Amino acid sequence: KAGVTQTPRYLIKTRGQQVTLSCSPISGHRSVSWYQQTPGQGLQFLFEYFSETQRNKGNFPGRFSGRQFSNSRSEMNVSTLELGDSALYLCASSFGALNTEAFFGQGTRLTVV
Amino acid sequence: GQQLNQSPQSMFIQEGEDVSMNCTSSSIFNTWLWYKQDPGEGPVLLIALYKAGELTSNGRLTAQFGITRKDSFLNISASIPSDVGIYFCAGSGNTPLVFGKGTRLSVIA
Repeated sequence: KAGVTQTPRYLIKTRGQQVTLSCSPISGHRSVSWYQQTPGQGLQFLFEYFSETQRNKGNFPGRFSGRQFSNSRSEMNVSTLELGDSALYLCASSFGALNTEAFFGQGTRLTVV
Repeated sequence: GQQLNQSPQSMFIQEGEDVSMNCTSSSIFNTWLWYKQDPGEGPVLLIALYKAGELTSNGRLTAQFGITRKDSFLNISASIPSDVGIYFCAGSGNTPLVFGKGTRLSVIA
């Protein structure tokens, strides 16, 4: 069974640009969560999607958005990039509801210059 | 956002030694998960715990779900060089997973 796939692995963008990251969950998993990981803040929850609906949202500005498609694949978008958005963005896939095991992809390393 | 208190922050141990790390929370959790992350990679799930008092092993790793449901610990026995990495605890109580800040483990051969 293939794991969680995130693309691209690395991105370099300039301030003010926007970026879209993609995540394909494990086959059969319907829940996708996104996290931002930085050395100072650790793993911070961005949002969670289940069956194309955003179920939970973290404490991030509206520049961060996401969506989930009918095949459970998910994308997250960050608009008007700031230097502080440089981070490892991780996607986690779960079979169903909360309190179940979450499996992470390798992440997308975003660098904003 | 909310985070768990994970300790210690870092450990330097000799190969063959046992390791213990723990996480505490002010909230009650229904699930505790333990992950290991290597540089430049995503966290890999090591052990999942779903019941207060539960003790679960995965090879040389053993984790327990505290009976108060507010803590968990992870033990690694007979450490080897490939145990090097950052270990994270994560908890969920009908909310999205909350993560500890990690324990960085270094193993000296």
